[in-house]
Amino acid sequence: QSILTQPPSASGAPGQRVTISCSGSSSNIGTNTVHWYQQLPETAPELLLYSNNQRPSGVPDRFSGSKSGTSASLAISGLQSEDEADYYCAAWDDSLNGWVFGGGTKLTVL
Amino acid sequence: EVRLVDSGGGLIQPGGSLRLSCAASGFTFRSYAMTWVRQAPGKGLEWVSSLTGIDDSTYYADSVRGRFTISRDDSKNTLYLQINSPRAEDTAVYYCVKQSAGSRWNYFDHWGQGTLVTVSS
Repeated sequence: QSILTQPPSASGAPGQRVTISCSGSSSNIGTNTVHWYQQLPETAPELLLYSNNQRPSGVPDRFSGSKSGTSASLAISGLQSEDEADYYCAAWDDSLNGWVFGGGTKLTVL
Repeated sequence: EVRLVDSGGGLIQPGGSLRLSCAASGFTFRSYAMTWVRQAPGKGLEWVSSLTGIDDSTYYADSVRGRFTISRDDSKNTLYLQINSPRAEDTAVYYCVKQSAGSRWNYFDHWGQGTLVTVSS
């Protein structure tokens, strides 16, 4: 069982907006920033958002993030077929003195 | 351009040993924290170990502490993961990951392609 909790699946039709939640605790999300990774099928993960809501160059502004207290969320607007992937949240945990990941959310574009 | 090339995976017997390598290029290797993350077949991501760039401090997940050792050779721009006393649950694709700066809490900004380790007798 993962330290950070994500829904195992999410879905939406093309053009719609979906959100993926990530719930943690005071020792990880409550204290440190949250980062999101996208893993396309059969590929290595890639950085999607860092420091709660910052987009690396090349990531479309359809992807956005937020954090409140011990929870964070990823929002994807204008859903496209190429967004079908697994999405993971991650944060440093001060109690474990290590990184923790969410269990991952499989996004399906209907 | 940042490039991370993972290698060294393969079949390993319980009780054996294996060393994974990650050849890095495109950045000043010695200045950055580096990490290993693994993914068991059909499962999610699991942090394994990190090595800082600021003071070479090491950090390990409880599941591997005492059995795995992370190290780096700055002269070769290479990160290593020594796997000893492997267990079946260590079977996974292992990814080398570059962090965004030298500290343990800097985010992961580049990933290698991964190398598969299979533990089986």
